[in-house]
Amino acid sequence: KAGVTQTPRYLIKTRGQQVTLSCSPISGHRSVSWYQQTPGQGLQFLFEYFSETQRNKGNFPGRFSGRQFSNSRSEMNVSTLELGDSALYLCASRSGTGDEKLFFGSGTQLSVL
Amino acid sequence: GQNIDQPTEMTATEGAIVQINCTYQTSGFNGLFWYQQHAGEAPTFLSYNVLDGLEEKGRFSSFLSRSKGYSYLLLKELQMKDSASYLCAVTASGGSYIPTFGRGTSLIVHP
Repeated sequence: KAGVTQTPRYLIKTRGQQVTLSCSPISGHRSVSWYQQTPGQGLQFLFEYFSETQRNKGNFPGRFSGRQFSNSRSEMNVSTLELGDSALYLCASRSGTGDEKLFFGSGTQLSVL
Repeated sequence: GQNIDQPTEMTATEGAIVQINCTYQTSGFNGLFWYQQHAGEAPTFLSYNVLDGLEEKGRFSSFLSRSKGYSYLLLKELQMKDSASYLCAVTASGGSYIPTFGRGTSLIVHP
């Protein structure tokens, strides 16, 4: 069974630009969550999508948005990039029906210059 | 809200035993997870505790005390490949099952 796939692996952008990150969950998993990981703050929850609907949301500004498609693939978008958005963005999937472990992708390392 | 504390860094010797502690404060507790993350890689699941007591899985064991808001991860017979960050995560009751992560403990194993 293929794992969680995230693309691209690395990304360099400049302030003010926008970026779209992609995540393909494990086959059969309907829940996709996004996390931001930085050395200072650790793993911070952004949002969770389940069956194409945002089911939970963390405390991030509206510049961070996402969506999920009918095949459970998910995208995350960050608009008007700021230097502080430089981080590792991790996607995680699970079947979404209970208190389950997360399966993480390798992440997208975003650098904002 | 939830608050999770774990030491920032620990060092240990190959072949030894190390215990990584995690304390948490939550308005309603559901379960506690431990993940391992090697540098530059994805976090991977190690253990899950929902009831008090010790769960053993090979060289790794995880303990939970709900009344004390406390867990530890015990690593035996340390190997160099165990050098990684260990993340403690808690899910709260209420149905969302969204884990809140601690900042992770960086474990360095030296010969």
